Amino acid sequence: AQSVTQLGSHVSVSEGALVLLRCNYSSSVPPYLFWYVQYPNQGLQLLLKYTTGATLVKGINGFEAEFKKSETSFHLTKPSAHMSDAAEYFCAVSEVWAGANNLFFGTGTRLTVIP
Amino acid sequence: GAVVSQHPSWVICKSGTSVKIECRSLDFQATTMFWYRQFPKQSLMLMATSNEGSKATYEQGVEKDKFLINHASLTLSTLTVTSAHPEDSSFYICSASKELGGYTFGSGTRLTVV
Repeated sequence: AQSVTQLGSHVSVSEGALVLLRCNYSSSVPPYLFWYVQYPNQGLQLLLKYTTGATLVKGINGFEAEFKKSETSFHLTKPSAHMSDAAEYFCAVSEVWAGANNLFFGTGTRLTVIP
Repeated sequence: GAVVSQHPSWVICKSGTSVKIECRSLDFQATTMFWYRQFPKQSLMLMATSNEGSKATYEQGVEKDKFLINHASLTLSTLTVTSAHPEDSSFYICSASKELGGYTFGSGTRLTVV
């Protein structure tokens, strides 16, 4: 069975500072890993995903994440925070290699950007 | 790109009535659709998975007689909340998938039961 842990339900950074949102997972098979962003009262927008191959994944809006198998982590980073990055971020895992197509989400991290 | 339309975006209904939420994949055929529920400041919890033409698979603890899911075509799935009560008030989000590991989310429906 898979699970996702997001450390830190709230993260605050200053505008222009590094953004680091942490995600650890557990999976019985090689995972597919995702980061989504959610703005208030809206659905989820895919930032990036890892399936196979290169472990450093680049996404939209300057975000990237690195899959580290040894650490079972998939942390999300952005070099310089913008005010528009303030939102809720969800890490998710899918056990596609086990034939399962369900997405399981972490509890989310609310990012606040301080001017 | 893949687009999923979810309607309505918000709905208020009286306790005891039923509400139907639609989820449509506009430019692709979705072999699988998912329904999630999200309480304020919480994560998305998978309610059920549906494949076109077959019965939905519900997650443990989700009442299938209360949350009726129909996936009649490759582009449409509906969630009907029957005999809604205030505790059913939540944000419901659908997701459509045309391939393993690919998911497109609708914009969500805010349900308020009064």
